[in-house]
Amino acid sequence: ETGVTQTPRHLVMGMTNKKSLKCEQHLGHNAMYWYKQSAKKPLELMFVYNFKEQTENNSVPSRFSPECPNSSHLFLHLHTLQPEDSALYLCASSQAYRGEEQYFGPGTRLTVT
Amino acid sequence: SQQGEEDPQALSIQEGENATMNCSYKTSINNLQWYRQNSGRGLVHLILIRSNEREKHSGRLRVTLDTSKKSSSLLITASRAADTASYFCATEGSNYKLTFGKGTLLTVNP
Repeated sequence: ETGVTQTPRHLVMGMTNKKSLKCEQHLGHNAMYWYKQSAKKPLELMFVYNFKEQTENNSVPSRFSPECPNSSHLFLHLHTLQPEDSALYLCASSQAYRGEEQYFGPGTRLTVT
Repeated sequence: SQQGEEDPQALSIQEGENATMNCSYKTSINNLQWYRQNSGRGLVHLILIRSNEREKHSGRLRVTLDTSKKSSSLLITASRAADTASYFCATEGSNYKLTFGKGTLLTVNP
């Protein structure tokens, strides 16, 4: 238990659905991250929020829309996804945006049909 | 672009043996971090070593960093079956982004 929770743990959605992934950290951290982990590929950074402000959008398609209402919560809104978006989506947090270790949630396994 | 690259891709050892995994990278870094991931789960942070450090220990883990060779190693001593997992190195570059390698899959046989 790392202090970072993610819901749901598993999600199956059609290409026309809209769904949201939720992440919550109980560590008092100021930075939060979304990563995508696909089979056979390195972990890919998607978005970074520092003190609720987005500081990084790593050329992510607009069908992924992040939201950070406060430093403890992070959402990833999904719409019109493609089958190649099927992956493990990991949320992480760190005390500061730089020079610190990151604490990861258990991930949401997303399958797009 | 991929920064850290682990070697070997897979490693199988017997319980009680030591396991060594290596990581090479291409550009200058602020720090290098090692993470462990059990199958299909989140990553767990193991050790962070800064660019001005050469070696760090944590329990049965020993990490070295050679900035002149742009490489790092993770040594797990007296391995246990519970150490079976994927191990990733991640480098924080000058842009402060953490870039992960593809990982080493370690299997410790009882």
